[in-house]
Amino acid sequence: EVQLVQSGAEVKKPGESLKISCKASGYIFADYWIAWVRQVPGKGLEWMGILFSGDSDIRYSPSFQGLVTFSADKSINTAYLHWNSLQVSDSGIYFCARPKKVGELDSWGQGTQVTVSS
Amino acid sequence: DIQLTQSPSSLSAFVGDRVTISCLASQDVGAYLHWYQHKPGKAPKLLIYDASNLEEGVPSRFSGSGSGTHFTFTISSLQPEDIATYYCQQYDDLPWAFGQGTKVEIK
Repeated sequence: EVQLVQSGAEVKKPGESLKISCKASGYIFADYWIAWVRQVPGKGLEWMGILFSGDSDIRYSPSFQGLVTFSADKSINTAYLHWNSLQVSDSGIYFCARPKKVGELDSWGQGTQVTVSS
Repeated sequence: DIQLTQSPSSLSAFVGDRVTISCLASQDVGAYLHWYQHKPGKAPKLLIYDASNLEEGVPSRFSGSGSGTHFTFTISSLQPEDIATYYCQQYDDLPWAFGQGTKVEIK
């Protein structure tokens, strides 16, 4: 069974850095892409970008390019989403998801709530 | 970038009603469009992939149709457990994108 387990909720101050994780199991991690999706209350789902776990090929949405960094560690089947300097506007719920073949996100993590507040 | 516009943004219907949601793409995406159900506090769930294919385990009251720029998602008989926000998503071209969502409520 494919499972994506994300790290727990975070409360941070503006300017702080943060890395959240998405640990995969039940499939060959290096054979699939991992997508990151943000949910901001009242704004719906936003596609942030996608990373190929095998070679770390990354495609960012222009809306998130330069604001976040994706990475993956194949040795522990884990993908990461990193911020160097958080802003209040980064608050939201972040989901990792795996496409079944190409674009259909059929497996999702449980989400990580990120709260950025002074 | 391809934009997806869903309509309506919200709807209210009776249990047993037929519910239809539209998703309009700003350019041709072929059949590279999916539909998701998202309930508060849960991860989104894939319902329909490639415009019209029912994901395994999803009830048959859910269906999708369309191609190119105009897509339709239908719940043939609304059930109380269908209360959620529904999103279309295209993957024809990067960046992939979601529609803005349609919130479905029970009257």
